Amino acid sequence: DAKTTQPTSMDCAEGRAANLPCNHSTISGNEYVYWYRQIHSQGPQYIIHGLKNNETNEMASLIITEDRKSSTLILPHATLRDTAVYYCIVRLLTSWGKFQFGAGTQVVVTP
Amino acid sequence: DGGITQSPKYLFRKEGQNVTLSCEQNLNHDAMYWYRQDPGQGLRLIYYSQIVNDFQKGDIAEGYSVSREKKESFPLTVTSAQKNPTAFYLCAGSRTGGEEDTIYFGEGSWLTVV
Repeated sequence: DAKTTQPTSMDCAEGRAANLPCNHSTISGNEYVYWYRQIHSQGPQYIIHGLKNNETNEMASLIITEDRKSSTLILPHATLRDTAVYYCIVRLLTSWGKFQFGAGTQVVVTP
Repeated sequence: DGGITQSPKYLFRKEGQNVTLSCEQNLNHDAMYWYRQDPGQGLRLIYYSQIVNDFQKGDIAEGYSVSREKKESFPLTVTSAQKNPTAFYLCAGSRTGGEEDTIYFGEGSWLTVV
């Protein structure tokens, strides 16, 4: 099963871009990369997902390397409300339906 | 308003008692899930259901039971056999559970054993 590695924590200044890295070196060719975030004591919130190409939506951008072994989630203009734990997940196709959540990255946006 | 609705938000249980957490959805999702989260940890899958009247054990199913009698509902019972039930419980749903699918979560339920 493809696993992900993320930094434990990172800080970001308000108004600046936040770049969150994720390593998934054992990812299979047809496994998607998903990003979620969780604000304390709330359910995780879907951000974005991708397979090979870079993706962008109203919340963030997802940059996936050509070899697909790593990706970066970009929050273009971080706000205090973006303080949360961010999870990078590779969807396990061998185990139907499972989204395996690791410990994620605690992002703190400071004024 | 709609989505994944969990109740109650906070629940206290005495040791030795069973307790049932409610999860309802109006998104017409085929698949539903229950996760457990301990403080400072990630989510762990308890049970999931692909379709009505069918469900599968996740990674930590011992001490829990579920039912899926209706598409909209997926209640979780925490039994007295669960040795350390105090945790944050999250219900989720997804359209199909297939390859490219997005999972959506409820707001969670805090269970405390007293």
